[in-house]
Amino acid sequence: SQQGEEDPQALSIQEGENATMNCSYKTSINNLQWYRQNSGRGLVHLILIRSNEREKHSGRLRVTLDTSKKSSSLLITASRAADTASYFCAPNPQGGSEKLVFGKGTKLTVNP
Amino acid sequence: DAGVIQSPRHEVTEMGQEVTLRCKPISGHDYLFWYRQTMMRGLELLIYFNNNVPIDDSGMPEDRFSAKMPNASFSTLKIQPSEPRDSAVYFCASSLLARTDTQYFGPGTRLTVL
Repeated sequence: SQQGEEDPQALSIQEGENATMNCSYKTSINNLQWYRQNSGRGLVHLILIRSNEREKHSGRLRVTLDTSKKSSSLLITASRAADTASYFCAPNPQGGSEKLVFGKGTKLTVNP
Repeated sequence: DAGVIQSPRHEVTEMGQEVTLRCKPISGHDYLFWYRQTMMRGLELLIYFNNNVPIDDSGMPEDRFSAKMPNASFSTLKIQPSEPRDSAVYFCASSLLARTDTQYFGPGTRLTVL
């Protein structure tokens, strides 16, 4: 199984600023998913990007995927205090087992 | 749909006691996953089921841990005997298709073993 590695481990920004988080992985993938975890809660799925897609949008979220570099990024535009959470990527490997492996995540703090 | 339901939400027990965590997946989902989350180790997959059958239990830490899924709407994770190092938040998740689909997480059970 393959684990994504999020970078940075922690990020602190002011409300209204953009937040960018990165994810790197090692082997070819079918798709890659991003999840958010608010403090004390379970993970919530944000977006899935397939290996043949380069960019995907969902509201204030923009995800990019570069399969040649084996990396993905999650951009949150015009951040809000409510975006404060940990963000995880989960690459879905080709030919791998049927399980996602989550990294340690990026802890985002948006200061009001 | 109510989403994935877990109980109890909090459990405090003493070392050596048996602990049973419960999960009801989303109706119609064929896959169920049990995770454990700690500050030190992050989110670890313990075991997952497909159509009530355990497929991969390689993440189960030791024989003190066991999981069952007697039917499509119920699963348990049991720790016997419990130890302080088992203290963690335990999540249950379900998905329609394991590999390519979204996983839906429950709210978690915060376990404290004294």
